[in-house]
Order: sequence, then C-alpha cells, then structure tokens
Amino acid sequence: GAVVSQHPSWVICKSGTSVKIECRSLDFQATTMFWYRQFPKQSLMLMATSNEGSKATYEQGVEKDKFLINHASLTLSTLTVTSAHPEDSSFYICSARPLGGTYEQYFGPGTRLTVT
Amino acid sequence: RKEVEQDPGPFNVPEGATVAFNCTYSNSASQSFFWYRQDCRKEPKLLMSVYSSGNEDGRFTAQLNRASQYISLLIRDSKLSDSATYLCVVNPKNSGGSNYKLTFGKGTLLTVNP
Repeated sequence: GAVVSQHPSWVICKSGTSVKIECRSLDFQATTMFWYRQFPKQSLMLMATSNEGSKATYEQGVEKDKFLINHASLTLSTLTVTSAHPEDSSFYICSARPLGGTYEQYFGPGTRLTVT
Repeated sequence: RKEVEQDPGPFNVPEGATVAFNCTYSNSASQSFFWYRQDCRKEPKLLMSVYSSGNEDGRFTAQLNRASQYISLLIRDSKLSDSATYLCVVNPKNSGGSNYKLTFGKGTLLTVNP
C-alpha cells in the first residue's frame, strides 16, 4: 500500500517552455501533498505544501508564479514549472500524507527535469 | 546551526560490519523523527520512525535523545544491499503553515563492500 506515482519520470524541455508534473496517490487519499526539489549531492528541499481544495503554501524563496501548484482532488497534485530555465534543471519529488495519517510521507519516484 | 545535521560521510564498510549514523536537530519542539534511505537517483523510502524509547527493526536500531536533540541509527551485520544514502528527517513542528512538514538532513552515503 501507500504508493505514489509521478509522471513523467523524466523530461527534457527548451528554455522558456512550461512543464507539468503530476503526482498521484494510487491507493490512498491525501489531503496534503508536498513538492521537493533535489540538486545533485544535496538534500531534499521543500518547495511547497499542497492542500486539496486550497492554495499551496510556498517555502521562503520559492516563486509561486513560477512553480504553479494545483491540488484538484484527494489523489492528484500537479506542479507546473513555467518559463523554465536551465537553472530549474533538477530532480522534483512529490510526497503524500495519507488522510488521517500522522507525519509519515510517501514519496513518488521523482521527475528528472533537464532544461536546455 | 542547521535544522538537521548529519555525519558528512561517506562511510565505507565491509560486509558484516556495524555502522552508526548520527544526527542532531535544532528545533527542540520537533515531534516526529524518521530515518529514510535513498538509493542513487531514486526517491527516499521510509526506513523507520524513531520513538523516544528507541526502536528496533531487525538489524536496524534507532535511538532518540530529546535532551540532547540527537538521533542515531545503528545497522548491524551490514549487507551489500544496505548501500545507500541515509537521511535523517525531522518534523519541525512550525507554529505556522503545515504541521506536517518534514525537514531532511543532507544524508550520509554508506557503501558496503564485499
């Protein structure tokens, strides 16, 4: 149980284009999903907390107009990287906290974004 | 002081060795603590939660010392498959925003050699 999927698993795009990443909880409902970014040999950095039916909460230094988050249902959250630049190239990982659960989060397999 | 600080590593040990990871956290109000493992270019996977009384799961033992704000993970009889990066993770219990946020340490890379 507690499986989280992400799509796509990797994407290459050109500078200036937008990329949408989907995060789904497959066998449980999640009121809260989290989006992280991880650069090589660095720790996971939380970008934003996504709550179903409400606006996402962004961490300090993360531009909300650049990283659009939508949490339309209890099983789906999306992250759109708008006007991507090479410095946005990173490993984007989502996680989901089960409805009624405690602090444990289950992670998706990640999306590797390369902006050329 | 960083929110979550771990041994920088890397650790290289032979099969069968016992290895210990240490972690400190800065927020004394933190409520929940975890160890995750992350394989190269993969997502983190929960290894075990850490409870005040300490807990054991097979070859893995986790300890928490709230007074010292210190968490440890001990792996006994290490296997080749234990090679991974071990992440110390803390719920910082912020007063605002989501109470379910997790803060990750930078991780300690373990390589178990045959």
